[in-house]
Formats: sequence, C-alpha cells, structure tokens
Amino acid sequence: NAGVTQTPKFQVLKTGQSMTLQCAQDMNHEYMSWYRQDPGMGLRLIHYSVGAGITDQGEVPNGYNVSRSTTEDFPLRLLSAAPSQTSVYFCASSYNLGGGNSYEQYFGPGTRLTVT
Amino acid sequence: KNEVEQSPQNLTAQEGEFITINCSYSVGISALHWLQQHPGGGIVSLFMLSSGKKKHGRLIATINIQEKHSSLHITASHPRDSAVYICAPEARGNYQLIWGAGTKLIIKP
Repeated sequence: NAGVTQTPKFQVLKTGQSMTLQCAQDMNHEYMSWYRQDPGMGLRLIHYSVGAGITDQGEVPNGYNVSRSTTEDFPLRLLSAAPSQTSVYFCASSYNLGGGNSYEQYFGPGTRLTVT
Repeated sequence: KNEVEQSPQNLTAQEGEFITINCSYSVGISALHWLQQHPGGGIVSLFMLSSGKKKHGRLIATINIQEKHSSLHITASHPRDSAVYICAPEARGNYQLIWGAGTKLIIKP
C-alpha cells in the first residue's frame, strides 16, 4: 500500500491564483481530512469527509473548497490564494472517526505552499 | 481555557534519560491519540488508546479516563527520539480530533 499520498510536495503561487492540492489513499478509509500547520503552531482542521459525497467544515475553512467524489481522493482547492494561506498542508485518513470505534490516523507527507 | 493541555512545551534531556510527557483534557473522549512529528515534518501515529496502557518498543502510553489525563513515556531515550510529540483526544460523538500544541523534545548525545 502507498498509504496517503499528496501532490505536489512544494508549490509557489502568486496572490489571486487558484490551485488544487491532491490527496489520495489506498486503504479504503472512510474518513479523510485536511489540516494546515503554520510555523511553530499545531495542526488546524480545514475540512473533513466521513465518506464519499459527504464533506464538512473544520476550524479554518474560509478560502478552501473540498469534494469527495470517490473514497480514495480528497482534493483541496484554494480559490484565490492569499499570503495568509502560506503554510504546510497535511492530508490524513483513517478507517473512521467519531463513529464509536477509534482508528489510527495516517498522514500524507505534506505540501509546503508559499503565496507571494 | 484550552480543551487539551500538554506539558512540558519544551524538554531537553540527555541520552538515556526517562522521558515523560503529559496531556490533560477537559472533554469526554472515545480515544486519545499520541503522534510524533519528525524534524522533517512527517507525522506518524504512535498510539491510540481508550483505557489502560500500551507499549511499543521503548514507548509507553497510559491513560486515566476518570482523571482525564494521559502520559507518554520514553525509556532509554536516544537522539533519534528528538521530535514534537502531540496529544490529540478524540471527542465522543465528534468527527474531529482536538489537537494539543505539542511537546518539543530534544535528546542530546
């Protein structure tokens, strides 16, 4: 299994540009999530999905869109990049979350995004 | 008041020392996760526990549900253990983890 993969690893955008960060997992996990991590800070949840066709907002959703058309893929779209979105983005997955049973979290390697 | 408090925030120790990192939380949980973030940025899950104690190699995690407290111990610490250790309770009935700020551990040779 490849686990959780993210592309690209690095990206530089100009203010106002849009782009999609890709995330895929091959473990048949229902739960997927996107986090951002700013320097010296903890992870903050952007959006999450509990299954194909179901998404919901996390703590910091503004400026980001997600969709979950398949179990495997959970792309994160930046609509109009701003310097405040400069961060490291992590995608994570697990078999489930919040459903009464608990499962290990698996993280992608991260995407380092700079917006100038 | 934060729902998750980790202590200490920073810890520097000598190789071989016994390390303890503490996590207190204020919400009802279904489980608690301990994760490690390497200096290069990668995040890996160390433990997920809902009661008692778990051991993996030199790492031990304990949880006391009644006292809403968990600890992560590292025995015979080694410089390769240098990382940020994060406590993340899984709130009951919620679809989100509650992330602690992390403990930055440095083990000196």
